[in-house]
Amino acid sequence: DQQVKQNSPSLSVQEGRISILNCDYTNSMFDYFLWYKKYPAEGPTFLISISSIKDKNEDGRFTVFLNKSAKHLSLHIVPSQPGDSAVYFCAANHNTNAGKSTFGDGTTLTVKP
Amino acid sequence: EAQVTQNPRYLITVTGKKLTVTCSQNMNHEYMSWYRQDPGLGLRQIYYSMNVEVTDKGDVPEGYKVSRKEKRNFPLILESPSPNQTSLYFCASSWGSYNEQFFGPGTRLTVL
Repeated sequence: DQQVKQNSPSLSVQEGRISILNCDYTNSMFDYFLWYKKYPAEGPTFLISISSIKDKNEDGRFTVFLNKSAKHLSLHIVPSQPGDSAVYFCAANHNTNAGKSTFGDGTTLTVKP
Repeated sequence: EAQVTQNPRYLITVTGKKLTVTCSQNMNHEYMSWYRQDPGLGLRQIYYSMNVEVTDKGDVPEGYKVSRKEKRNFPLILESPSPNQTSLYFCASSWGSYNEQFFGPGTRLTVL
């Protein structure tokens, strides 16, 4: 069973507008969540994370929201820029299984100038 | 420069010919992992290691072996590669479960 799901394979937004990427999870043991960005021909790079004891974390243009009761997290990018065009992966970890990391399938974001 | 390196970056081989993909990190990280990325399937964890001589299976370990004899190195071994192991492979390292992973540039493997 897929424990981390990104239901939107792709998203297209206009430059300057908000991009919202969503991620759902099923395992209630997950307690740390991360977003990674991946450009073609490169490895993923870390973007932002959130612990399960928080419901929001902000870093510049990027904000991650966590709704534990709904088992849902989202990444907001405001304002979106063409350089944000990439594949975005959400990932979930839990300390009872240290080292194990579960990723979603990814969402391809395209920001149009 | 802090980095994770993988070699080779590209490899074309034939079914059954043993191969090793090397991974090395210079950040003194405790944790290391191997992932494969296939179209529409995201990143799936193959094996991970929490420290020297401590490894465990991820979600798709079949057909792969790993070893962690030194902290900085975590090679991925395919004893008898098959075409269904054609994929893009990433090595990653981190301080722990509550820390971000640093990924290598990837190894594109084709098994004919």
